[in-house]
Amino acid sequence: KNQVEQSPQSLIILEGKNCTLQCNYTVSPFSNLRWYKQDTGRGPVSLTIMTFSENTKSNGRYTATLDADTKQSSLHITASQLSDSASYICVVIGSLSGTYKYIFGTGTRLKVLA
Amino acid sequence: GAGVSQSPSNKVTEKGKDVELRCDPISGHTALYWYRQRLGQGLEFLIYFQGNSAPDKSGLPSDRFSAERTGESVSTLTIQRTQQEDSAVYLCASSRTSGSKNEQFFGPGTRLTVL
Repeated sequence: KNQVEQSPQSLIILEGKNCTLQCNYTVSPFSNLRWYKQDTGRGPVSLTIMTFSENTKSNGRYTATLDADTKQSSLHITASQLSDSASYICVVIGSLSGTYKYIFGTGTRLKVLA
Repeated sequence: GAGVSQSPSNKVTEKGKDVELRCDPISGHTALYWYRQRLGQGLEFLIYFQGNSAPDKSGLPSDRFSAERTGESVSTLTIQRTQQEDSAVYLCASSRTSGSKNEQFFGPGTRLTVL
């Protein structure tokens, strides 16, 4: 069964600290993996997109890694800010016979405290 | 340009009533997706439109759910005879095409509460 699991479910850190969010998936065949940030009451916004051959991709203070062999990805947030408080969603896109299926994780809810 | 817009932003209805949710995608985007997000859960795929092709309805949970799209513009998601378990945020997204690497841009969602 195609699944995306994220951990931790929730996380609280102090402003300025770093943190790492995990994503494990069983989606196959794999096309690409994305991390989204979802602020409360808003739709998700894309942070990074990674294909099978990419190991690392950065977007400002956000760095995503992908290990396609172990089917794991992480999102590292550096020097956290209060505005980083949000849910972070891992999405794995699987391809099958030319169609694409988006499998969403349940997200990690991050709270950054002053 | 303008992003994806959805209306209404909030909808409260009584069990058994029909509701209609609207999505205005980004102009020029041929692909449009509807998702449901229950409280504390991940997004569930409902339906997908790509140009004039037949929509992928594989995610619709029951025949009470239906959606239409006029050409490459507005889409409406209709839920008939609403049930309390239909309470959720309904998100719409659009992308330039249906290719897997095309980024999906999400609207703010419609929060549906069925009493």
